[in-house]
Amino acid sequence: AQSVTQLGSHVSVSEGALVLLRCNYSSSVPPYLFWYVQYPNQGLQLLLKYTSAATLVKGINGFEAEFKKSETSFHLTKPSAHMSDAAEYFCAVSVSGGYQKVTFGTGTKLQVIP
Amino acid sequence: DAMVIQNPRYQVTQFGKPVTLSCSQTLNHNVMYWYQQKSSQAPKLLFHYYDKDFNNEADTPDNFQSRRPNTSFCFLDIRSPGLGDAAMYLCATSRVAGEADTQYFGPGTRLTVL
Repeated sequence: AQSVTQLGSHVSVSEGALVLLRCNYSSSVPPYLFWYVQYPNQGLQLLLKYTSAATLVKGINGFEAEFKKSETSFHLTKPSAHMSDAAEYFCAVSVSGGYQKVTFGTGTKLQVIP
Repeated sequence: DAMVIQNPRYQVTQFGKPVTLSCSQTLNHNVMYWYQQKSSQAPKLLFHYYDKDFNNEADTPDNFQSRRPNTSFCFLDIRSPGLGDAAMYLCATSRVAGEADTQYFGPGTRLTVL
């Protein structure tokens, strides 16, 4: 069975500082990995996804993530945090199984301090 | 803009009183999903439709039912809501059910059970 673990349910960074949100996955077959963002009282929106092409994936709003098979990680980064980045971020994994079943992590709430 | 719409955004019901949540999409996607998201938890897949084919997750309670009368609309029926069913309910769509497909989420319906 596939799973993801997000380290840190809450992360605080200063505006302009590096954002690093951690995600480790577990899968017996090559995974597809996603990062979604959820703003308060809204649905989830895709930030980026890894589909076995380039290991460094660039997404929207200046975010990127690197797939590291040896570390089973897919951490999300952004060089400089903006106040508008304050939201909850979900890492998710999907594997081939007849249909897309996405398993979400428990989420990391990002606080950006002015 | 193509989108996923959920109505109502907030729903209050009484313990044991049936309630129906609505989702519609203008993306013309084949797959529609229903997730339950409780506070500070990951979205949990309840079931999905691929066209008219209904796929129930093994651990989805019988209290939860769904209907998809056409491509655009999907309903979530909770036959006898309990206090434990209070949550955000998210509808999502994807073009097909491939493991790398992006899911597009609606804003969610927050259900309160009194």
